[in-house]
Amino acid sequence: AQTVTQSQPEMSVQEAETVTLSCTYDTSESDYYLFWYKQPPSRQMILVIRQEAYKQQNATENRFSVNFQKAAKSFSLKISDSQLGDAAMYFCAYRSGGATNKLIFGTGTLLAVQP
Amino acid sequence: EPEVTQTPSHQVTQMGQEVILRCVPISNHLYFYWYRQILGQKVEFLVSFYNNEISEKSEIFDDQFSVERPDGSNFTLKIRSTKLEDSAMYFCASSLTGRTNQPQHFGDGTRLSIL
Repeated sequence: AQTVTQSQPEMSVQEAETVTLSCTYDTSESDYYLFWYKQPPSRQMILVIRQEAYKQQNATENRFSVNFQKAAKSFSLKISDSQLGDAAMYFCAYRSGGATNKLIFGTGTLLAVQP
Repeated sequence: EPEVTQTPSHQVTQMGQEVILRCVPISNHLYFYWYRQILGQKVEFLVSFYNNEISEKSEIFDDQFSVERPDGSNFTLKIRSTKLEDSAMYFCASSLTGRTNQPQHFGDGTRLSIL
């Protein structure tokens, strides 16, 4: 069975600085997708960025980028120029490329942004 | 931007009572999901629903749980006889299709407290 591990329960970053959130996963599949979701205090989980396993190029969305290391099964999220609004719980999630629709989540990393 | 909406935001119920959690998915989405998050734990998949039937369910989704799309807009999760361990945040999600690269859009969640 697939598992997702986020080893950092909490992280803190100064406004305008860069922070990297770690995520590792375990799978025997070759076709899958990885996601980072953000859950601010208002509770709605918002998709931040996604990565297809077959793509070697790391996904980027404005200030958010990933470092996808397929061989190491690592999928870290880098937030550049951190803003106060980035403070949230961040979840890493895995989805199989097969018929299943379910997302498998990590335990989350709570990011605090210091002014 | 269209959103998934969930009601109520907080539901308090006596153990053994039935509870119905309601969700309005994004209007043109065809796939619907329920997840739950017990306090301090991972977000866990419960069930996915497509074309008026369950397409996948987890081991958590036992006979006490059921889902329904009673009309063209609502998607409900019913727990027949609640237990203390059903206390959790329940998230509804929807996606346009079941394709793996389609993101799932989440609602704000309903906090269910069983007394």
